[in-house]
Amino acid sequence: NAGVTQTPKFRILKIGQSMTLQCTQDMNHNYMYWYRQDPGMGLKLIYYSVGAGITDKGEVPNGYNVSRSTTEDFPLRLELAAPSQTSVYFCASSYDEEGHTQYFGPGTRLTVL
Amino acid sequence: GQNIDQPTEMTATEGAIVQINCTYQTSGFNGLFWYQQHAGEAPTFLSYNVLDGLEEKGRFSSFLSRSKGYSYLLLKELQMKDSASYLCASLDSNYQLIWGAGTKLIIKP
Repeated sequence: NAGVTQTPKFRILKIGQSMTLQCTQDMNHNYMYWYRQDPGMGLKLIYYSVGAGITDKGEVPNGYNVSRSTTEDFPLRLELAAPSQTSVYFCASSYDEEGHTQYFGPGTRLTVL
Repeated sequence: GQNIDQPTEMTATEGAIVQINCTYQTSGFNGLFWYQQHAGEAPTFLSYNVLDGLEEKGRFSSFLSRSKGYSYLLLKELQMKDSASYLCASLDSNYQLIWGAGTKLIIKP
């Protein structure tokens, strides 16, 4: 089991560019999450999904979009990147709300200049 | 509102014991998590408490008091590799995790 994998590991974007952060899990987990972590701050939930075809907004969804066409994949799309989106992005998964321990991918470090 | 409070930084000596406290106020409560995060890495699961009391797992123990909205993580026989940030997170009524900012633990030889 690879667990949760994320690509890319690092990326530098110019203001206004777009990109997709990839996330894949091979644990057959139903729930998947995207967080951002800014220095000295707690993890903030961007979007989450409770299963294929179902997504919902978290605490800080503005400027992001997600899709969940399969159980395994949960990509995060940034449209019109802004410096405020400079952060470390973590994808996580859990079996369901009862099996709620979340397992994290290694993260993507994004800088917007 | 929802709030998780934990100290920003703590320092301890190798071989000693350290207790990291966490207080929480969340909309509903379905349990309290502790995660470890080494610099530049992802958080990894340490413990989960939903009932009052102490849960022991090797050198690490976690305690919960639901009536006080309080938890602590106890690390015994500290090793240099325990230098990391320790994140407290409360599972709210929507089964979403509300995260503290983390406690950076510095271990000195």
